[in-house]
Amino acid sequence: DIQMTQSPSSLSASVGDRVTITCRASQSINRYLNWYQQKPGKAPKLLIYAASSLESGVPSRFSGSGYGTDFTLTISSLQPEDFATFYCQQSYSNPRTFGQGTKVEIK
Amino acid sequence: QVQLQESGPGLVKPSETLSLTCTVSGDSISAYYWSWIRQPPGKGLEWIGNMYYSGSTNYNPSLKSRVTMSLDTSKSQISLRLSSVTAADTAVYYCARDGSWRGYYTFDYWGQGTLVTVSS
Repeated sequence: DIQMTQSPSSLSASVGDRVTITCRASQSINRYLNWYQQKPGKAPKLLIYAASSLESGVPSRFSGSGYGTDFTLTISSLQPEDFATFYCQQSYSNPRTFGQGTKVEIK
Repeated sequence: QVQLQESGPGLVKPSETLSLTCTVSGDSISAYYWSWIRQPPGKGLEWIGNMYYSGSTNYNPSLKSRVTMSLDTSKSQISLRLSSVTAADTAVYYCARDGSWRGYYTFDYWGQGTLVTVSS
């Protein structure tokens, strides 16, 4: 199985801050990397696919980058509705695997 | 608009079989793979497996011996059966569509999830 490791596991930030979350794969996954946002009691929501493509309807303050084993999710200016847990997920091979999550909290 | 709705018992006894159904509306069930994903309370996400309308399945090796998925195109339903459950199988179970863009697969539509508790 491909292991996905996110860092940090949690972070505190203020509205307007630039936030970066990293995700590392245990082997190269090309660009087969997706990012999801999950709010309490809700299903995850797709934000970014193929490492850097923005899902339709997702605000442009979200962006993704990376290739191979190292990836980042950036929120350019954190908004109140962005406080949530974020997960990376690889679709390079089965079983599909997720990172452990990064919880973004209000400072 | 694509909608997915999970249904099934919220409580299952240890050693018994968990059975859930996902009903899809707003899209053809025959055009995609469909996945089951679970999330234990307060923890991360685990992919259980997926199924295509042709009958092709892919299961997570960690659960493969206990998982069966099936699909009923006439009812637009995908089913999950997980046998010999223990407390470790307590989780919110989601069904999701395996969307694809130029060969890049995503979980682009999700059900709201259903909590299944394993307890006597």
